[in-house]
Amino acid sequence: AQSVTQLGSHVSVSEGALVLLRCNYSSSVPPYLFWYVQYPNQGLQLLLKYTSAATLVKGINGFEAEFKKSETSFHLTKPSAHMSDAAEYFCAVRGPSGGYNKLIFGAGTRLAVHP
Amino acid sequence: DTEVTQTPKHLVMGMTNKKSLKCEQHMGHRAMYWYKQKAKKPPELMFVYSYEKLSINESVPSRFSPECPNSSLLNLHLHALQPEDSALYLCASSQDLGASSYEQYFGPGTRLTVT
Repeated sequence: AQSVTQLGSHVSVSEGALVLLRCNYSSSVPPYLFWYVQYPNQGLQLLLKYTSAATLVKGINGFEAEFKKSETSFHLTKPSAHMSDAAEYFCAVRGPSGGYNKLIFGAGTRLAVHP
Repeated sequence: DTEVTQTPKHLVMGMTNKKSLKCEQHMGHRAMYWYKQKAKKPPELMFVYSYEKLSINESVPSRFSPECPNSSLLNLHLHALQPEDSALYLCASSQDLGASSYEQYFGPGTRLTVT
């Protein structure tokens, strides 16, 4: 069965600092991995996805993530945080579960950006 | 256009009311989803429609009744809800159900309060 673990329910960074949000997955088959962002009182927006084409994936808003099979990780990074990056971030894996391809979310990481 | 729209944005209903949530997408997607999201939690899958047929019901109580009138529309009919059903209800769509690589596009959600 597929699962996702996000390390750190809250992350706080200064504006301009590196953002690192951690995601580890478990999967018995090659996974398809996604990062979504949710701003307050809004739906989820896809930041980027990994589908085995390239291990370093670039997404929107300056975010990128690197797939590391040896570490079963798909951490999200951004070189320089903006105040507007403050939001909830969800890592998700999609794969066989219960007989069909289901999107399985991590618990989420709330990113705070302070001046 | 990668937009999924949902109406209404907010809904307050009593426990004896009947109401409906609506979702629409014009991306030609053939899979549509309903999720429930409680505060500070990831979305929980409720229903999945594929080619206008109900494919998955994640053991949702019968007071929630989904309907897919056509390939662009998805409704969620609500009746005799409980206060614990108060949550953000998210609709999503994807190109198809089968391939794991297909990302899901989310609407902005309906904030439901049951009094």
